[in-house]
Amino acid sequence: GAVVSQHPSRVICKSGTSVKIECRSLDFQATTMFWYRQFPKKSLMLMATSNEGSKATYEQGVEKDKFLINHASLTLSTLTVTSAHPEDSSFYICSATDWVHGEAFFGQGTRLTVV
Amino acid sequence: GQQVMQIPQYQHVQEGEDFTTYCNSSTTLSNIQWYKQRPGGHPVFLIQLVKSGEVKKQKRLTFQFGEAKKNSSLHITATQTTDVGTYFCAGPRNRDDKIIFGKGTRLHILP
Repeated sequence: GAVVSQHPSRVICKSGTSVKIECRSLDFQATTMFWYRQFPKKSLMLMATSNEGSKATYEQGVEKDKFLINHASLTLSTLTVTSAHPEDSSFYICSATDWVHGEAFFGQGTRLTVV
Repeated sequence: GQQVMQIPQYQHVQEGEDFTTYCNSSTTLSNIQWYKQRPGGHPVFLIQLVKSGEVKKQKRLTFQFGEAKKNSSLHITATQTTDVGTYFCAGPRNRDDKIIFGKGTRLHILP
């Protein structure tokens, strides 16, 4: 069945470096993917909507230069956390919708720790 | 591994009928969250339940968390066309607090 694969599942990086997270839709094309961030014991917060072939739409308060999103193909969206700081440490998760079947799927999530 | 299972996968109801979706975890959850995704939209947070046996209401929506904190339900009374969408439950994984989603229940409303 359709799956959304997110990689890596866990990453530790140094302050000031950049980290790229990939979200792939397997077996279906996703013109739109969503990126979320979750703080401990909180609900998911939508960060941005990733649109294939065009610029991402960011939610209010989310820095687009800090969280770079690229959706270069119908099966891949990437989120790059640039110049990471410890406060960027969080759980990031993507979701994509298979419009043909009308089903939504979530990636496995990425635990980012910035030291 | 730890799983969150949600049933039914699909549900068609006549407008005005009630609707219930169920969520079951293979392990005890510290909390459970419910999200709704409208067609064409992104999942939106509805509610979080934390206490054993907790029941919360939001207008026509009633959320329950089981006594054992391993299951939950969302009940909609007298469905309306605006209720169309996919309802997801989600719970934190015990060992590292990552959130695990159920596969969702797609609700269709027949006029």
